[in-house]
Order: sequence, then structure tokens, then C-alpha cells
Amino acid sequence: AQSVTQPDIHITVSEGASLELRCNYSYGATPYLFWYVQSPGQGLQLLLKYFSGDTLVQGIKGFEAEFKRSQSSFNLRKPSVHWSDAAEYFCAVGASSSASKIIFGSGTRLSIRP
Amino acid sequence: NAGVTQTPKFQVLKTGQSMTLQCAQDMNHEYMSWYRQDPGMGLRLIHYSVGAGITDQGEVPNGYNVSRSTTEDFPLRLLSAAPSQTSVYFCATSGTSGRFGAGELFFGEGSRLTVL
Repeated sequence: AQSVTQPDIHITVSEGASLELRCNYSYGATPYLFWYVQSPGQGLQLLLKYFSGDTLVQGIKGFEAEFKRSQSSFNLRKPSVHWSDAAEYFCAVGASSSASKIIFGSGTRLSIRP
Repeated sequence: NAGVTQTPKFQVLKTGQSMTLQCAQDMNHEYMSWYRQDPGMGLRLIHYSVGAGITDQGEVPNGYNVSRSTTEDFPLRLLSAAPSQTSVYFCATSGTSGRFGAGELFFGEGSRLTVL
């Protein structure tokens, strides 16, 4: 069974600074990997996804993530954050081997310092 | 374009009461699922379905029942509510299933349930 760890519960960065949110997964085969964002009181929106191919994935809102198989990681990055990026971010993993489920990490809350 | 519709948005129950959270989608998606979201726990999968007549358990299935009689609907039933089931519930669907796994999830707006 797959699992996801997001080691950072809460991160605060200054507006304009770079951002990296960490995600480690556990899965025996090639996983499907996702990053979702949730604004307060809202549902979740997909930022980007990795199924196969190029390990650097571009998403919406200027986000990107890099799949590193050797480190079992899929960290999310953004070169310069905006105040509107304040939200909760979830990493998720899906099994590629069968029709099944997507498992989410516990989330990282991002605050932006003016 | 409704997408994924959850009802009700808010509900207060007493311990032991039963209720059904409704989820309807108009995207013809095969895959439907229910998650609960609790502070510090992220989203935890309760049950999921890869098509009409097929359901399976997720990470935290105890206390919940599901059925999938049509492609469009995937209700979540609480037979005897407990305070531990106080949570925000999300229904999510995906158009990809089968041997390639579930793809991008599309979420409803959530249902906030309080059990007293």
C-alpha cells in the first residue's frame, strides 16, 4: 500500500521569496504523484501531477515539482511566492498497478509574510 | 456545469442517529470516492468505487457504508453516528480508472458534519 509524508506542518515565507514544500512517498512501483492546494473553506484544486516521463513537472500558478525516485520525493517549488499563495498544500500518491485509491499526506500550511 | 455536488453542506447529528451524505456527478466519471478531513490529519480515504456496482474500502472505512447503483451517485451512509465522525467530508471523482489507476481528482465543496 502507498503512503505519503509531508514533514513540514507549517511554513512561513516572505512574499517574493522562493518556496519548497517537501513530500516523501512510499510505494513499491512507479507511483502517480500529485500536489493539490486548498484555500480556506474551499475544496481542493490540482496544481500538478506526475504520471511518467520528464521528472520535472510544471503546474498552474507558477508551481513546479521534481520527481526523484532515488529519494522517493516529489517536492513542490515556486521561485517567488505571492500573498495569494497562502493556503494548505497536499501531496498525494496513487498506485499505478491497479484501479485504486489516491492517498494524501497530512498537508503543509503555507503562510506569507508581507 | 455542476461537476461534483455534495448535499447537505452542513449537518448536526446526535450520537446514534443515522444519515446519508449525497454525492452526485455529471462528468460521467467512473471513479468516485469519499474522504474525511480532520485538522493535522490531511484527507483520509473512507471508501471508493471504480464503477457502478463496485466499491472498496479505503484507509478509514469503519462506521461508514457506501453503494454505487449508478454512475452518477455515490452516497455515504453513517448508520449510527459517533462524535469521532465529526469532520468535513469530501466527495471526489476521477475519469481514469482501471489498470492505470485513478487520475486527477475533482472535488465537491465539502459537507461539514458535527456529531454531538
